[in-house]
Amino acid sequence: AQSVTQLGSHVSVSEGALVLLRCNYSSSVPPYLFWYVQYPNQGLQLLLKYTSAATLVKGINGFEAEFKKSETSFHLTKPSAHMSDAAEYFCAVSDRGGYQKVTFGTGTKLQVIP
Amino acid sequence: EAQVTQNPRYLITVTGKKLTVTCSQNMNHEYMSWYRQDPGLGLRQIYYSMNVEVTDKGDVPEGYKVSRKEKRNFPLILESPSPNQTSLYFCASKGEWNTEAFFGQGTRLTVV
Repeated sequence: AQSVTQLGSHVSVSEGALVLLRCNYSSSVPPYLFWYVQYPNQGLQLLLKYTSAATLVKGINGFEAEFKKSETSFHLTKPSAHMSDAAEYFCAVSDRGGYQKVTFGTGTKLQVIP
Repeated sequence: EAQVTQNPRYLITVTGKKLTVTCSQNMNHEYMSWYRQDPGLGLRQIYYSMNVEVTDKGDVPEGYKVSRKEKRNFPLILESPSPNQTSLYFCASKGEWNTEAFFGQGTRLTVV
C-alpha cells in the first residue's frame, strides 16, 4: 500500500528565508508524486509533479522538488519565502498502472513571518 | 475555462436528513473522486469512479453513496447524515492515469 508522510504539521519561516517542506513516501512500485497548495477557503492547486522524467522538478511560484529514490523523499523547497506563500501544502503519491487512488499526506501549514 | 464545480459551497443540515452534493467537470475526464478533509488527517478518499457506471470505495466510504450516470457528473449522497460527517468535502477529476487531479472549491458541510 502506498503512503505519504509529511514531517511537521506547521512550519514558520521569515520572509526571504528558505522554505523546506518534507515529504517521504512509501510505494511498492515507482510512484508518481505531487505537491499541491491550498489557500484559505479554496480548493487544491497543483504546484508540481514528478512522473519519472527529471528528478528535479520545477513548479509554479518558484517552488521546486527533488525526487530521491534512495531516501524515498520528495521535499519541496523555495529559495526565498514570500508572504503570499502562506498556505497549506500537501504531498501526494499515486501508483503507476491505473487509477486506484491518490494518497495524500496530512498537510503542512506554512506561516511566513514579516 | 477548465473547472470542477461543486454545489453547494456551504451546507448546514440536521442529522438524518438526506442530502446530495453535486460535482460537475467540463474537461471530459474519465476519473472522478470525492475526498473529505479533516484537521490533522489530510485528505481521505471516499469514493472514486473510473468511468460511467464504474465506481469503487476509497478509504472512508461508510455513510456515503455515489453515482456516475454521466461522464461529467459525480454526485455525493449522504442518505442519513450524522455529526461525524461534518467536514470539508472536495470533488476531483483527472484525465490520463499519470496526470494530476483538478479539484473543486470544496463544500463545507455541518451536520447538527
